Amino acid sequence: AQSVSQHNHHVILSEAASLELGCNYSYGGTVNLFWYVQYPGQHLQLLLKYFSGDPLVKGIKGFEAEFIKSKFSFNLRKPSVQWSDTAEYFCAVNPSTSGTYKYIFGTGTRLKVLA
Amino acid sequence: ETGVTQSPTHLIKTRGQQVTLRCSSQSGHNTVSWYQQALGQGPQFIFQYYREEENGRGNFPPRFSGLQFPNYSSELNVNALELDDSALYLCASSVEDLLLSTQYFGPGTRLTVL
Repeated sequence: AQSVSQHNHHVILSEAASLELGCNYSYGGTVNLFWYVQYPGQHLQLLLKYFSGDPLVKGIKGFEAEFIKSKFSFNLRKPSVQWSDTAEYFCAVNPSTSGTYKYIFGTGTRLKVLA
Repeated sequence: ETGVTQSPTHLIKTRGQQVTLRCSSQSGHNTVSWYQQALGQGPQFIFQYYREEENGRGNFPPRFSGLQFPNYSSELNVNALELDDSALYLCASSVEDLLLSTQYFGPGTRLTVL
């Protein structure tokens, strides 16, 4: 079955620390990849997405992600986190040949940034 | 803000009852997807509607049903509510285009089943 794994369930960092959140998926075909963020009390917001082309994609608020096809991974990075980055982060995969546009989400990573 | 709205924001029901949740798509979007997000979990795909027809379904029983209207708004209906149906229900709208499929989520409806 298709699945998405986010290995870090809870991450605590100090401000200015670097961030890397892991995301691995199990699907052998072509995929579209997404990272969404859910700030406390707010709805899911798109952080960045990958469809094709340059495997290093840049998103909003200084986030970037790298698609490594051979590792079935799409890790999220930020060189220097801020207190305002405290949120829950979800990786999502859309198998682009699935015939539907369903997204398969990981279980999320709760990030807490200490001021 | 994504332009996707959902109502109501919160709802409390008792086991065995029926519930209808509503979603208004972002302008120009013709596809609506519904997800269930249980506490501490990622969203799980329930089903998707495109041009008023179901276009894919996740691993949810038939008591979860939906509708999409000509203006692309949508409803999620759940019959015979169970305690495990307590969750945040998310609606996402998109334009059906294989290359540019990006779903934009609404704020969700928090359903509590007692």
